[in-house]
Amino acid sequence: EAGVVQSPRYKIIEKKQPVAFWCNPISGHNTLYWYLQNLGQGPELLIRYENEEAVDDSQLPKDRFSAERLKGVDSTLKIQPAELGDSAVYLCASSSGGDQETQYFGPGTRLLVL
Amino acid sequence: RKEVEQDPGPFNVPEGATVAFNCTYSNSASQSFFWYRQDCRKEPKLLMSVYSSGNEDGRFTAQLNRASQYISLLIRDSKLSDSATYLCVVNGGVTYRVRGFRYGQNFVFGPGTRLSVLP
Repeated sequence: EAGVVQSPRYKIIEKKQPVAFWCNPISGHNTLYWYLQNLGQGPELLIRYENEEAVDDSQLPKDRFSAERLKGVDSTLKIQPAELGDSAVYLCASSSGGDQETQYFGPGTRLLVL
Repeated sequence: RKEVEQDPGPFNVPEGATVAFNCTYSNSASQSFFWYRQDCRKEPKLLMSVYSSGNEDGRFTAQLNRASQYISLLIRDSKLSDSATYLCVVNGGVTYRVRGFRYGQNFVFGPGTRLSVLP
């Protein structure tokens, strides 16, 4: 079974440029998460989807970040414009839901903003 | 106070040693607890769930102390391949509902504890 797929794996951009990350969850997983992970820290939730509905975007900086999961399958996270402080690893995860369900993570996108 | 706290380490131990990590959480209503492992420059992967009565998986033992609000992970007979960062994960008490249907609760990750097993 294919795992969570993310692209690109690496991205280097200049500040003020836009950037987008794509995630395809494990087939059949209704719950999709986007996390941000800084060096030496644990993942921090940006947004959580149940199917196509964003059920928690309280930590998403909405002035510059946006996300969508139009058909309840794959998802895109966008930053516009990027700032130096956005340099981090952006992780996508999926699960089949529930309180005891395992989250399966993709390999992440390493973003460097210059 | 952060919701989930861990000793960042690093813990440097020789092969064969026993090492224990603690994790404290602030939300007394938390019901689900996990340990994830993250290798350098890789994604986190579930190591084990933590059950109320404590549970064991080979060389790994997880325990929960609700009264003191901490969970622990014990690794016996450490291997070189155990070198990684160990992330404590706790559900944070926010319940998600969509059109009246409960989808579960949020999960909060700790900052991780780094382990290096030395030859």
